[in-house]
Amino acid sequence: QVHLVESGGGVVQPGGSLRLSCVVAGFSIIDYGVHWVRQAPGKGLEWLAFVRYDGNQMYYADSAKGRFAVSRDTSQNTVYLQMNSLSGDDTGIYYCAKDRLSGYNIQSFDYWGQGTLVTVSS
Amino acid sequence: DIQMTQSPSSLSASIGDTVTITCQASRAISNYLNWYQHKPGKAPRLLIFDASKLETGVPSRFSGTGFGTHFTFTISSLQPEDVATYSCLQYDNVPYTFGPGTRLEIK
Repeated sequence: QVHLVESGGGVVQPGGSLRLSCVVAGFSIIDYGVHWVRQAPGKGLEWLAFVRYDGNQMYYADSAKGRFAVSRDTSQNTVYLQMNSLSGDDTGIYYCAKDRLSGYNIQSFDYWGQGTLVTVSS
Repeated sequence: DIQMTQSPSSLSASIGDTVTITCQASRAISNYLNWYQHKPGKAPRLLIFDASKLETGVPSRFSGTGFGTHFTFTISSLQPEDVATYSCLQYDNVPYTFGPGTRLEIK
């Protein structure tokens, strides 16, 4: 059974950093890419980033470029989202999601985690 | 970036009704569109992929159509458990973009 569990959220001051983790089960991140998506309070969903199944290609939204970085630990079946220079606009629930197709450059996503809350506030 | 507009932003319907939500892309995206259901505190759920294909395990009262720029999502015979927010996603081009969502309530 496919599961994704995000952790690492919390309260951080503006300008601070946070690293989110996404531990997956029921599939391997060496077979499937993983996406990050967020939802700000009262707003719609926003796609943020993706790491390909082989770890050799990442894609980022403009809002994430230069500040966020996706990495992974294949031995732990875990994907990370390092977030730097955080501002109030980054407040929201952060989700990781499994790419729908294995061995693909990038596709859409099927299974999601329940999310972790990030609050940027002084 | 491809902009997705979605309507209505909210709707209220009765049990057993048929409801329809539309998404429009700012440029053609072939059939690279998904529909997701999202309930507070829960993981979003994929309902429809490739514009019209039903995800495994999803009830057949959910359906999708469309190609290019105009897409529709339909729930026939609305059930109480369908109360949720529904969002479309285009994955024709990075950055992927979502519609703003439709909040569905039961009358």
